[in-house]
Order: sequence, then structure tokens, then C-alpha cells
Amino acid sequence: AQSVTQPDIHITVSEGASLELRCNYSYGATPYLFWYVQSPGQGLQLLLKYFSGDTLVQGIKGFEAEFKRSQSSFNLRKPSVHWSDAAEYFCAVYMRFGAGTRLTVKP
Amino acid sequence: NAGVTQTPKFQVLKTGQSMTLQCAQDMNHNSMYWYRQDPGMGLRLIYYSASEGTTDKGEVPNGYNVSRLNKREFSLRLESAAPSQTSVYFCASRKPGGRPEAFFGQGTRLTVV
Repeated sequence: AQSVTQPDIHITVSEGASLELRCNYSYGATPYLFWYVQSPGQGLQLLLKYFSGDTLVQGIKGFEAEFKRSQSSFNLRKPSVHWSDAAEYFCAVYMRFGAGTRLTVKP
Repeated sequence: NAGVTQTPKFQVLKTGQSMTLQCAQDMNHNSMYWYRQDPGMGLRLIYYSASEGTTDKGEVPNGYNVSRLNKREFSLRLESAAPSQTSVYFCASRKPGGRPEAFFGQGTRLTVV
């Protein structure tokens, strides 16, 4: 059965610091993987996606994610966080979502 | 480009009342989905429709019914609302073909008192 685990419920980083949000999945075949972002009171916006090919994918707003099949992971990264990145982030495999990671950015 | 439109945006119901949440998409997508979002639980799939005329249960279908009225519209009905159904509900549609990028509505915040 498909499942998605986001181990970190809440992460706090300082503005300008680097960010990594973890995502592990369980899926029998080649997964279609996604990261979405949700600002308060809003719907979900697609940040990036992986279907096949290059395991390092670039997304919007300076985010990137790396697919590691051996670790069943698809971690989201950003080199320098901006205050506007504060939001909730969801990893998804196909149409199944993780529980989300809330990001707080300290000034 | 409207994308996925949900109505209403907010609703308060009394226990036992019924209501229908509406969802419409203008992207000619075949697949549509209803999720509920609760704190710490992410998005859980209630029902989905792979194409017009078909619907299937997701993870948490109890207490809900759906109708795929046509290709554009997919409604979610609560026949007898319960406080446990207090949640934020999201509708999504998916591009046709093998690469399932989803597009989401803005959500309906439902409170059952």
C-alpha cells in the first residue's frame, strides 16, 4: 500500500539559513512524487514534481528535491530561506499525502 | 483561468443537518478528488472520481456521499453532519494521462456544532 511519512511535524529555521524537509514513501512501483506548499487559509500549490530521469529536480521559489530510490526518500531543500517561505509543506506520492511539515522562519 | 472552484468557502452546520459542497473545474480533467484536512493528519482522501459517471471510496468515506454530475462538477454531500466532520475540505482535479499533477481548490472550512 502507498504511504508517505513526513517525520518532522514542525521545523523552525532562521531567515537566510538552509532548509531540508524530509519525506519517505512506500510504493510498489516507480513513484510519482510531489511537494506542495500551503499558505495559511489557502489551497495547495505545487512546488515541484518527480516522474523519472534526473533525480535532482528544481521547482518554483528556489526549492529543489532529490529522489533517492535506495532510501525511499524525496527530501525538499532550499539553500537560503526567506520569511515568505513560512507555510505548511506536503509531500505526496501520486495522490496520497503525508501529514505535512509546518515551517516557521525566525527573523 | 478559474481552475478548481469550491463553494461555499465557509459553513457552519448544526449536528444532523445536511449540506452539499460543490466543486467545479474548467481544465477538462477526467479525475477529481475530495480530501479533508485535519491538523497533524495531512490530507486524507474521502472519495474520488476517475471519470464522469464513476466514483470510488478513499481512505475515509464514512458519512459522505459524492456525485459526479458531469465532467466539470464533483459534489460532496454530508447527509447528517457530525462534529467529527468539522474540517477543511479540498477538492482537486488531475491532468489526464500518466503524470498525475493535481490542482486544488481554495478549500471549504466546515464547522459542525
